[in-house]
Amino acid sequence: KAGVTQTPRYLIKTRGQQVTLSCSPISGHRSVSWYQQTPGQGLQFLFEYFSETQRNKGNFPGRFSGRQFSNSRSEMNVSTLELGDSALYLCASSRAENTEAFFGQGTRLTVV
Amino acid sequence: AQSVTQLDSHVSVSEGTPVLLRCNYSSSYSPSLFWYVQHPNKGLQLLLKYTSAATLVKGINGFEAEFKKSETSFHLTKPSAHMSDAAEYFCVVSGGYGGSQGNLIFGKGTKLSVKP
Repeated sequence: KAGVTQTPRYLIKTRGQQVTLSCSPISGHRSVSWYQQTPGQGLQFLFEYFSETQRNKGNFPGRFSGRQFSNSRSEMNVSTLELGDSALYLCASSRAENTEAFFGQGTRLTVV
Repeated sequence: AQSVTQLDSHVSVSEGTPVLLRCNYSSSYSPSLFWYVQHPNKGLQLLLKYTSAATLVKGINGFEAEFKKSETSFHLTKPSAHMSDAAEYFCVVSGGYGGSQGNLIFGKGTKLSVKP
């Protein structure tokens, strides 16, 4: 059974640009969550989608957005990139409430 | 609001000796608590979870954790460390009711080093 797949694995962008990251959950999983991991702030929750609806949102500016498609695949978008957005972005999927969240290996975003 | 505090940023043990990683939590209701492990260049893996059943929770790879409400603690232990246990460990609380894992609040992490 394939795990959570995140693409691309590595990305380098310039300040001011925008970026889209993709997450394909495990087959049958309907919940997808996104997290940002940085050395200074650690792991922080960005947002959660369930059946194409945003269910929860963390404390991030509006430049960070996401969506989920009918096949449960999810994308997150960051507009007007800042140097501080450099981070490992992790996606997790779970089948439903109270079930284990499985994490992908992440997308390493570097903003220069 | 939910939060967790990992009391040690770095723990170093010798192979074959016990491991203790400490975590305190704060929660306005009965929490769901987890421990995750992250090996270098790998994703996060769930070690174990507590969701108001037995207070002593057994996980994978010989790890276990005990939920102590009176001390608001959820420390992770292992009787005998193995070199492959070297990794970063995260204590995590669910941000939502009922153990939902869609919104997880992570501690700052504890890096475990294992010396031969």
